[in-house]
Amino acid sequence: NAGVTQTPKFRVLKTGQSMTLLCAQDMNHEYMYWYRQDPGMGLRLIHYSVGEGTTAKGEVPDGYNVSRLKKQNFLLGLESAAPSQTSVYFCASNLGRNDYNEQFFGPGTRLTVL
Amino acid sequence: AQSVSQHNHHVILSEAASLELGCNYSYGGTVNLFWYVQYPGQHLQLLLKYFSGDPLVKGIKGFEAEFIKSKFSFNLRKPSVQWSDTAEYFCAVMSRGSYIPTFGRGTSLIVHP
Repeated sequence: NAGVTQTPKFRVLKTGQSMTLLCAQDMNHEYMYWYRQDPGMGLRLIHYSVGEGTTAKGEVPDGYNVSRLKKQNFLLGLESAAPSQTSVYFCASNLGRNDYNEQFFGPGTRLTVL
Repeated sequence: AQSVSQHNHHVILSEAASLELGCNYSYGGTVNLFWYVQYPGQHLQLLLKYFSGDPLVKGIKGFEAEFIKSKFSFNLRKPSVQWSDTAEYFCAVMSRGSYIPTFGRGTSLIVHP
């Protein structure tokens, strides 16, 4: 099992550019999440999905969109990047079924917006 | 809304020192509790978790945590830290029936050899 993978690992954008981050998991997990990690702020939830075809807003959803067309993939889009979106983005998944299951995290994407 | 507080933002220890990292949460109902560790340049991984039973739980690499319901706390401990424990530690709380954890802001631990 590869677990949770993220593409790309690094990216530099100019203000106003768009991009999509891809998260894939091969564990047949129901739940998937996108977080951003900023110094001193911990992990903040951007969007999440409780199953294929569903998405929901998290704590900091503005400026981001997501899609989960396939159970194993969860895409995070930035339509018009801003410097405030410079961060490290982590994807996570959870088996679901029991609420004591932990999250499994991907390796992260370091995004810089100039 | 639920909140999670990690009081120690930065901790610096020498090898063999004992460690205790605090975690308090605000939710009054039944919760599941987690500690995750993030080694430098790596992703978060689970250290240990509590959902029922013995309030003293043991995790990987000699870590343990104690759930004290009356204090809304889930503190992480290790009797003797090693240089390789240098990492960031996150406490997370999930209400029963929810699959959305709330994370604390993290504690950065540096262990000097």
